[in-house]
Amino acid sequence: DAGITQSPRHKVTETGTPVTLRCHQTENHRYMYWYRQDPGHGLRLIHYSYGVKDTDKGEVSDGYSVSRSKTEDFLLTLESATSSQTSVYFCAISTSYSNQPQHFGDGTRLSIL
Amino acid sequence: RKEVEQDPGPFNVPEGATVAFNCTYSNSASQSFFWYRQDCRKEPKLLMSVYSSGNEDGRFTAQLNRASQYISLLIRDSKLSDSATYLCVVNTGNQFYFGTGTSLTVIP
Repeated sequence: DAGITQSPRHKVTETGTPVTLRCHQTENHRYMYWYRQDPGHGLRLIHYSYGVKDTDKGEVSDGYSVSRSKTEDFLLTLESATSSQTSVYFCAISTSYSNQPQHFGDGTRLSIL
Repeated sequence: RKEVEQDPGPFNVPEGATVAFNCTYSNSASQSFFWYRQDCRKEPKLLMSVYSSGNEDGRFTAQLNRASQYISLLIRDSKLSDSATYLCVVNTGNQFYFGTGTSLTVIP
């Protein structure tokens, strides 16, 4: 399995609090992605990174920010969590933005009450 | 229109059956295609890439039809362990687009 670790694995928090999810990889892959998965929607891209300090928005980026200060770490922050951000969050990595597949972390189950 | 569309199923098939899933994509410029498998409450795992000429991996065969803009996955001799949700993934430009998944249950 690809060396991807997401933390925390589960989190319950209250509306309005800040939340940071971490994705750590040991594969030295250039590309990293954050997705959320909700019933009926499949996986939707939140943000992605194509290198250290290089990030871009995905399909559902509102309410989220990211940072990548090192190749191995990609952080997703919910500045002020809302109940609509309750979801399962997956981090993925790949060696290419196009013709190589992505590999996923175990996911973080986030509940916003 | 969604980038990628799949029949959500569910498909309930007996052990040993052959089952096929299709997935359509909307952008003719899409460059690469994949099938993933996702077990309940787990992460998606790559099942196979889909090549233009079609490709096979054991009991699994993937096909790409660029003219009609669909990809397919055929599973032969279904096993109980094949029960999962199958996701098709299409890469267009620098983004990957995921179908919502097709649920398969193989029945003893």
